[in-house]
Amino acid sequence: AQSVTQLGSHVSVSEGALVLLRCNYSSSVPPYLFWYVQYPNQGLQLLLKYTSAATLVKGINGFEAEFKKSETSFHLTKPSAHMSDAAEYFCAVTSSGTYKYIFGTGTRLKVLA
Amino acid sequence: DTGVSQNPRHKITKRGQNVTFRCDPISEHNRLYWYRQTLGQGPEFLTYFQNEAQLEKSRLLSDRFSAERPKGSFSTLEIQRTEQGDSAMYLCASSLVASGLRGETQYFGPGTRLLVL
Repeated sequence: AQSVTQLGSHVSVSEGALVLLRCNYSSSVPPYLFWYVQYPNQGLQLLLKYTSAATLVKGINGFEAEFKKSETSFHLTKPSAHMSDAAEYFCAVTSSGTYKYIFGTGTRLKVLA
Repeated sequence: DTGVSQNPRHKITKRGQNVTFRCDPISEHNRLYWYRQTLGQGPEFLTYFQNEAQLEKSRLLSDRFSAERPKGSFSTLEIQRTEQGDSAMYLCASSLVASGLRGETQYFGPGTRLLVL
């Protein structure tokens, strides 16, 4: 069975500070990993995904994530937070053996002025 | 490309009533997913269609839930005899991918928020 764990349900950073949102996964087969963002009253929007190519993945809005197999992690980072980054972020996993996408419980990012 | 649309956006119903939600995927997307999202949780997989065929259903999808995707276009999710525990956001997502591949990008609709009184 696959799973993802997002450490920290709420994260606060100052505007201009580094954003780090943590995601650890569990999978017995090579995973595909995703980060999605959800703004209030909207659906989820893909930020970036890892599908066994480069381990450092760059996404939209200046976000990137690094796949570390040894640590079973796929943490999301952004060098400098903007007020517009305030939202909920979800990590998700799937694999070649299933159609299911398993989502984490989410991390709500707050950006302080 | 107008994105994935869902109707209605909000639904309030009384316990025991039946409700039906509609999802219109991005045109020509061959895969369609339904998820349920409760407060403070991530989306939970409910079911999946490849064109008109329903290929997988979660154990979360009790016999009160049924989903269809006639002709491989729009999809409906019906909940019969609603219970208060069914209150949640129901999300639809679609994707386009060649047969057999996994890990594609899903495009989500805005969701239908259901409140069962």
